[in-house]
Amino acid sequence: DVKVTQSSRYLVKRTGEKVFLECVQDMDHENMFWYRQDPGLGLRLIYFSYDVKMKEKGDIPEGYSVSREKKERFSLILESASTNQTSMYLCASTRPSLRGNTEAFFGQGTRLTVV
Amino acid sequence: AQSVAQPEDQVNVAEGNPLTVKCTYSVSGNPYLFWYVQYPNRGLQFLLKYITGDNLVKGSYGFEAEFNKSQTSFHLKKPSALVSDSALYFCAVRLLANQAGTALIFGKGTTLSVSS
Repeated sequence: DVKVTQSSRYLVKRTGEKVFLECVQDMDHENMFWYRQDPGLGLRLIYFSYDVKMKEKGDIPEGYSVSREKKERFSLILESASTNQTSMYLCASTRPSLRGNTEAFFGQGTRLTVV
Repeated sequence: AQSVAQPEDQVNVAEGNPLTVKCTYSVSGNPYLFWYVQYPNRGLQFLLKYITGDNLVKGSYGFEAEFNKSQTSFHLKKPSALVSDSALYFCAVRLLANQAGTALIFGKGTTLSVSS
């Protein structure tokens, strides 16, 4: 089975801190994604990466950056955490497909609270 | 722009009754559609997908979904609901960002509550 592991389930950080959320997948997937989930808003795409050192902005990239130095690891960085970044963060990965017919596998999520 | 809508925030059904969770989509070209389920404080689990072929797609845990091109819908169904089906359900459409990268666009989710 594919396993996508997020380093923390719960995280509490202070306003202005630099925050790193880590995600690792063990199935050699090329594509990796970061979403945030908020009640009533569903999942919104922050960034995704389709290869090492490659990244694409999603719908809400402001205030975030990402790093993909190795194929299995995709990090989300909050440069200066703010209270409006309190949310559930979900990492996902997929095999590559030009037809887009592969399903995504998700990590358990990191619930981040910024105080 | 490609998008997906789930018109109901919540669906309530009695155990043993059939359930339907609605999803409509807007895409250019052929749609690739997915359903996911999320249990409390967990990540999303894949249920089923429609890529091409038979309009009725069968998935995990007894769920199925019917693709209707004329109505641009992809409703999730189950003939007999279980209390354990109570969860948050997401419909998603594949967004082709470029030739190599793809991302899923999600609806806002529908909470399914099955009462005993």
